[in-house]
Amino acid sequence: DQQVKQNSPSLSVQEGRISILNCDYTNSMFDYFLWYKKYPAEGPTFLISISSIKDKNEDGRFTVFLNKSAKHLSLHIVPSQPGDSAVYFCAASSNFNKFYFGSGTKLNVKP
Amino acid sequence: NAGVTQTPKFQVLKTGQSMTLQCAQDMNHNSMYWYRQDPGMGLRLIYYSASEGTTDKGEVPNGYNVSRLNKREFSLRLESAAPSQTSVYFCASGPGQGFNSPLHFGNGTRLTVT
Repeated sequence: DQQVKQNSPSLSVQEGRISILNCDYTNSMFDYFLWYKKYPAEGPTFLISISSIKDKNEDGRFTVFLNKSAKHLSLHIVPSQPGDSAVYFCAASSNFNKFYFGSGTKLNVKP
Repeated sequence: NAGVTQTPKFQVLKTGQSMTLQCAQDMNHNSMYWYRQDPGMGLRLIYYSASEGTTDKGEVPNGYNVSRLNKREFSLRLESAAPSQTSVYFCASGPGQGFNSPLHFGNGTRLTVT
């Protein structure tokens, strides 16, 4: 059974607007959460992370929010740009060794 | 600045053939991983190695073996390939400790088993 779930396979937003990608997890022992971005024919690249002691982490246009009680995290991209179009994976770990990934959300930012 | 290097990039096998996927990292990372990516399934962990000399099963280890040859290299072997092993395989490495320890991925090996 998947421990990390991304229930939206795809998302389409207009350039300049906010993109919100969601992720749910089931294992309460997870304490490190990450978002990765993946372009076709390339490996995933690290975007942003958050530890369980925080509820928000920001890096430029990217902000990750963590709601531990709901076992939910989200990635906000503001403003969205066409170059942000990619597949986004969330991941979680409880010991910095075993990382579990969601199924991904394909973001399309329309010019 | 190579990061994580995987070979080969593409491979076609017949059912029952064997092959080894190679991975090397130059970031002095302790931990190394093999994932497979299938449509709708995301990235699933096959095997990982927390440190040189140790390996552990992930979510989908059946049909695979691994070797942590040294700190830099981690190989994945398919002894008798099956069509269900058609996938894109990613190798990754990471420091293995601390909250600033994301995984770094290679560009993948696209494997087709006919």
